[in-house]
Amino acid sequence: DAGVIQSPRHEVTEMGQEVTLRCKPISGHDYLFWYRQTMMRGLELLIYFNNNVPIDDSGMPEDRFSAKMPNASFSTLKIQPSEPRDSAVYFCASSLLGQGYGYTFGSGTRLTVV
Amino acid sequence: KNEVEQSPQNLTAQEGEFITINCSYSVGISALHWLQQHPGGGIVSLFMLSSGKKKHGRLIATINIQEKHSSLHITASHPRDSAVYICAAASGNTPLVFGKGTRLSVIA
Repeated sequence: DAGVIQSPRHEVTEMGQEVTLRCKPISGHDYLFWYRQTMMRGLELLIYFNNNVPIDDSGMPEDRFSAKMPNASFSTLKIQPSEPRDSAVYFCASSLLGQGYGYTFGSGTRLTVV
Repeated sequence: KNEVEQSPQNLTAQEGEFITINCSYSVGISALHWLQQHPGGGIVSLFMLSSGKKKHGRLIATINIQEKHSSLHITASHPRDSAVYICAAASGNTPLVFGKGTRLSVIA
C-alpha cells in the first residue's frame, strides 16, 4: 500500500488566492483527519470524516476553510481567500475504526502564504 | 477536556544513552499514541497502546492506566533517533488530544 498520499508537498501562494490541498487515504480506512501544525500551536485537528461524512469540524478556524470528501478515496481542504497566518504544514491521516486505532499520516503539505 | 503534558520539552543525549520521555493525561482514555516526526519530515505512528507495554526494536512504550501516565523509552540511542516525539490521547470518538512534543537530539 502506498500509504496516505497528499499533494502538493509544497505550496507557495499569494495572499488572497485560493489554495486546495488534496489527500488520498489508505484504501479501506473509514476515518480521515485533517490536521494543521505550526510552531506555536503544535498539531491541531481541523476536521474529520467517517465514511465520507464530516463528523466534527469545530477545529476549522474560519469560514475561509472548507473540506470535502466526495468519495472514500479522496478529500480536499480548501482555503479561500488565503492569508499569511494560514502558513503551516497540513497533514492528512486515515485510520480504520476511529481514533483509538492505528493512524497513518500523509507526508504533509507545507503551505506558505506571502 | 483531556490535557496532555509531555516532559521534557527538549532533551539532548549522548549516543548510546537510555532515554525516557514522559506523557501524562488528565482524563481516562481508550488509547494512547506515540508519534515520531523527523525535522522537516512527516509523522510516523510508533505505538498505539491501551494497557501494559509494547516493544519495537529499541523502542519501548509503557502505560499505567491508573496513574494516567505513559513513557517512551529508547535504548542504545543513536543520532538517527533525533526527532520530535509526540504523545496523543484518544477517548472514544472525541478528537485526539496532542502533547506539545519532546524534541530529542542524540549526539554522536
